[in-house]
Amino acid sequence: AAGVIQSPRHLIKEKRETATLKCYPIPRHDTVYWYQQGPGQDPQFLISFYEKMQSDKGSIPDRFSAQQFSDYHSELNMSSLELGDSALYFCASSALGRGSAYEQYFGPGTRLTVT
Amino acid sequence: DAKTTQPNSMESNEEEPVHLPCNHSTISGTDYIHWYRQLPSQGPEYVIHGLTSNVNNRMASLAIAEDRKSSTLILHRATLRDAAVYYCILGELGTYKYIFGTGTRLKVLA
Repeated sequence: AAGVIQSPRHLIKEKRETATLKCYPIPRHDTVYWYQQGPGQDPQFLISFYEKMQSDKGSIPDRFSAQQFSDYHSELNMSSLELGDSALYFCASSALGRGSAYEQYFGPGTRLTVT
Repeated sequence: DAKTTQPNSMESNEEEPVHLPCNHSTISGTDYIHWYRQLPSQGPEYVIHGLTSNVNNRMASLAIAEDRKSSTLILHRATLRDAAVYYCILGELGTYKYIFGTGTRLKVLA
């Protein structure tokens, strides 16, 4: 079965650079979620989109922005990168706009390293 | 945001049942109880979820207390591949986010 696709899988950037992470949800899933997981930490919710509109917002820095496009894929844009942004970034998707009441399917993650 | 409390770690012998507890004393009537597991450097994997009644699927069973203030994930026969961090998460109806707690690191002994 098709899964959530994230690209790139690995990304190395220098401080103050920008990065764009992409997420392609499972076909027919209309909701996308972004999570950040620092080394040795638990996943932290960043932001979510349902039908291309922001649906919930967590501890996402102002330097980050995200959007969901008409084909339901989503991009997380990160500017002025800091060393502390080094983490695994997971995207998840869910179906039918049911939000947190139903299961989310996670992608394999993008490992961002900021040097 | 709360909302769940789990033991930091547990151990189990291979091929024995495992009961992973979770406390969620502040659960509201419309919160769903979800369980996910995560292997190192992989995305969390859906295991099971429920609202009020016990649930079974091919991976596990979910036992929910009558007052819903606690739940237990049951792996019927642990294998080495079940070694992971298990997260119990409350999914609030009408929201679009999961708040992960610290989870339980399950170690399976051969």
